[in-house]
Amino acid sequence: DAGVIQSPRHEVTEMGQEVTLRCKPISGHDYLFWYRQTMMRGLELLIYFNNNVPIDDSGMPEDRFSAKMPNASFSTLKIQPSEPRDSAVYFCASTPGGNYEQYFGPGTRLTVT
Amino acid sequence: GESVGLHLPTLSVQEGDNSIINCAYSNSASDYFIWYKQESGKGPQFIIDIRSNMDKRQGQRVTVLLNKTVKHLSLQIAATQPGDSAVYFCAENIWSTGFQKLVFGTGTRLLVSP
Repeated sequence: DAGVIQSPRHEVTEMGQEVTLRCKPISGHDYLFWYRQTMMRGLELLIYFNNNVPIDDSGMPEDRFSAKMPNASFSTLKIQPSEPRDSAVYFCASTPGGNYEQYFGPGTRLTVT
Repeated sequence: GESVGLHLPTLSVQEGDNSIINCAYSNSASDYFIWYKQESGKGPQFIIDIRSNMDKRQGQRVTVLLNKTVKHLSLQIAATQPGDSAVYFCAENIWSTGFQKLVFGTGTRLLVSP
């Protein structure tokens, strides 16, 4: 089992550029979560999907952030335009239905200059 | 000006000691709790969980205690090893507007000296 896969692992971009983060959940897991981790705010839930459908996006900071899950094995988190305050580590996690334990990916460290 | 980040509480122990990491949670209706371990440069990793109808659960070298009266959770690590050095997060499962989600605490850094 490869676990949750995220790409890229590191991303450095300039303010105003579009950033796309990618996630492949564990096969068979029907819940997918996007988190952001910063020193200022800790680990925050941004959005989560169940069976590819967004369920709760109340944590998405603003309209510059969007997330999609076109199929059960792929999700993207997009920031457009990016700003320096978006610099953080973004984690994707997945879990099978009926299970609370979430399995986290290695994260994408985003730096916006 | 200089930004101020979260001040992570730090617990420093010697190898072989027992460690106790504490967590206060916010929602008296939370029905499930998890402890995660996060090593530098990695994602959080599940350690142990407990449901609200229990007050103690044991794993291998770890024990979680739940005190619902004071909304307190603790993680006990027996015979702490240098490999246990990491940041430890508690998380509570809460229901909000019909949805459930894990809410994470700010974390405690555990430093184990050989």
